[in-house]
Amino acid sequence: GQSLEQPSEVTAVEGAIVQINCTYQTSGFYGLSWYQQHDGGAPTFLSYNALDGLEETGRFSSFLSRSDSYGYLLLQELQMKDSASYFCAVRDNYGQNFVFGPGTRLSVLP
Amino acid sequence: DGGITQSPKYLFRKEGQNVTLSCEQNLNHDAMYWYRQDPGQGLRLIYYSQIVNDFQKGDIAEGYSVSREKKESFPLTVTSAQKNPTAFYLCASKEGYEQYFGPGTRLTVT
Repeated sequence: GQSLEQPSEVTAVEGAIVQINCTYQTSGFYGLSWYQQHDGGAPTFLSYNALDGLEETGRFSSFLSRSDSYGYLLLQELQMKDSASYFCAVRDNYGQNFVFGPGTRLSVLP
Repeated sequence: DGGITQSPKYLFRKEGQNVTLSCEQNLNHDAMYWYRQDPGQGLRLIYYSQIVNDFQKGDIAEGYSVSREKKESFPLTVTSAQKNPTAFYLCASKEGYEQYFGPGTRLTVT
């Protein structure tokens, strides 16, 4: 079967750093993506890791360890607008499909 | 502006009726997807299409049908056979490893 695990909720204060973990078990693996979704909105792409290591995009970074079937999203200098749900997604099926995790709801407090 | 449009944003139907959700894209992407999202949950794949006139079932295809007669359009029909159709439906297209989502249609069936 295919499964991804993420913490259901994370809370942090403005200006802090938060890490959202994702572990996965899938039949195929071509890469790990992260998406942000505000309440009632559409998911938007944040980052993608196909190889082990850290990818940095502004305040957001994403890490992948394929040997551990594990990745994380790191959000720095948190802002109120970062309050949203964050989903990890594994790209599988020869790269055609994506399997999404259950999502982590991040609340940023003043 | 390029993007994905879904209409309507909110849809109400009586139990036993079929309903078709619209999804149009002008991004010239070959691959398109339909996902279902229930409150507080991740995205689950209903159907996907890699090319015109071809589509494949996802993890939860029962009670749904699709067509892909044009590259730009990928409508989803929720049939009366779907036991619990009330949900948020998201359409997406893909280029490489990045998915682009429409604003979603919130379907309520009573």
